[in-house]
Amino acid sequence: DVKVTQSSRYLVKRTGEKVFLECVQDMDHENMFWYRQDPGLGLRLIYFSYDVKMKEKGDIPEGYSVSREKKERFSLILESASTNQTSMYLCASSPGSSTNEKLFFGSGTQLSVL
Amino acid sequence: GDSVTQMEGPVTLSEEAFLTINCTYTATGYPSLFWYVQYPGEGLQLLLKATKADDKGSNKGFEATYRKETTSFHLEKGSVQVSDSAVYFCALRDKIIFGKGTRLHILP
Repeated sequence: DVKVTQSSRYLVKRTGEKVFLECVQDMDHENMFWYRQDPGLGLRLIYFSYDVKMKEKGDIPEGYSVSREKKERFSLILESASTNQTSMYLCASSPGSSTNEKLFFGSGTQLSVL
Repeated sequence: GDSVTQMEGPVTLSEEAFLTINCTYTATGYPSLFWYVQYPGEGLQLLLKATKADDKGSNKGFEATYRKETTSFHLEKGSVQVSDSAVYFCALRDKIIFGKGTRLHILP
């Protein structure tokens, strides 16, 4: 089975800190995604990547950046954390570019910014 | 732009009741349509999908039919169980767009 692993289940940070959320997938998937999940807003796409060192903005990229130096790892970076970035962050991956493919999700990181 | 609209929750039903969660979409072309489920404390996992008009996706007693004429992909189950309590997301794949999710509570 595909496994998508997010490094932390819960994280508490202070306003202004630089925060790294890590995601690793073990099935050589081409595509990786970062979403945030908020009550009443569902999932919103932050950034995605279709290849190593490649990144594309999603719907809400402001305040975030990403890094994909290796195929299996996709990092989400909060340059200067703010309280409105308190959220559940979900990483996902998929094998290739077909629109029929499903996404495989990690268990999520609940980030609290104080 | 492309979008997905699903019914607001929470939805509360008794065990063995019939379930419908409505989902409609707006998109150019004919995107693949998906239902994902999120159980408490977990990430999302695929429940079922349909890739073209009139396709029916099914899994674990759930069904959804891709209706091009009504741009809908409603999720149905004939007899729900307590273990079906979760949040359900409708999604279209062209631009990886999710609905806002519908929380389902099943009472024993």
